[in-house]
Amino acid sequence: GAVVSQHPSRVICKSGTSVKIECRSLDFQATTMFWYRQFPKKSLMLMATSNEGSKATYEQGVEKDKFLINHASLTLSTLTVTSAHPEDSSFYICSAPRSIAGGPNEQFFGPGTRLTVL
Amino acid sequence: AQKITQTQPGMFVQEKEAVTLDCTYDTSDQSYGLFWYKQPSSGEMIFLIYQGSYDEQNATEGRYSLNFQKARKSANLVISASQLGDSAMYFCAMRRPDTNAGKSTFGDGTTLTVKP
Repeated sequence: GAVVSQHPSRVICKSGTSVKIECRSLDFQATTMFWYRQFPKKSLMLMATSNEGSKATYEQGVEKDKFLINHASLTLSTLTVTSAHPEDSSFYICSAPRSIAGGPNEQFFGPGTRLTVL
Repeated sequence: AQKITQTQPGMFVQEKEAVTLDCTYDTSDQSYGLFWYKQPSSGEMIFLIYQGSYDEQNATEGRYSLNFQKARKSANLVISASQLGDSAMYFCAMRRPDTNAGKSTFGDGTTLTVKP
């Protein structure tokens, strides 16, 4: 079953509103989570690293005031798209690393959130 | 910096045949991990196979195998006996396997279509 959940799976909002996306690790704790953005038929672009108990680390070119990240607990990270505009429409995916016995630290991905800004 | 290159935007394969999806990478790290993910139209990323940079044998997972050629910096995915359900977008990715917080670098992806 899924080990990382995202909510909502799909959201449509009006331009100028803010949208919050939740990413939860199920049955394991994640001190770090990652937020990616994906345009149709394109690659995943890392936006930021969410750190539990401290500030998120943003990739170059990502507006921290536009994409607010809060890692409130060891199982929950939230991404808030503030004052959303049509160009923010995209597929947002989170991931959380988890140690696998005898193997590499695996990244488990959430199912993604499709944001459409009208 | 790490870079992943997937040169095939789209591939077609006949059902039950094998197909190879290309992936080359560039990194200055000595230790790294290479991953392949499948992304169906639903959007979720499904982990397929992993190859560590120090692994001497090519990784295999069921119908998936990774043709790892370290000197050429290539990590091609081979899917044997293709099925209609294999139609999806496939991503090659790289990251350091030694930390719990390793970031992944993804290629641009290859869209695979399996024909009946």
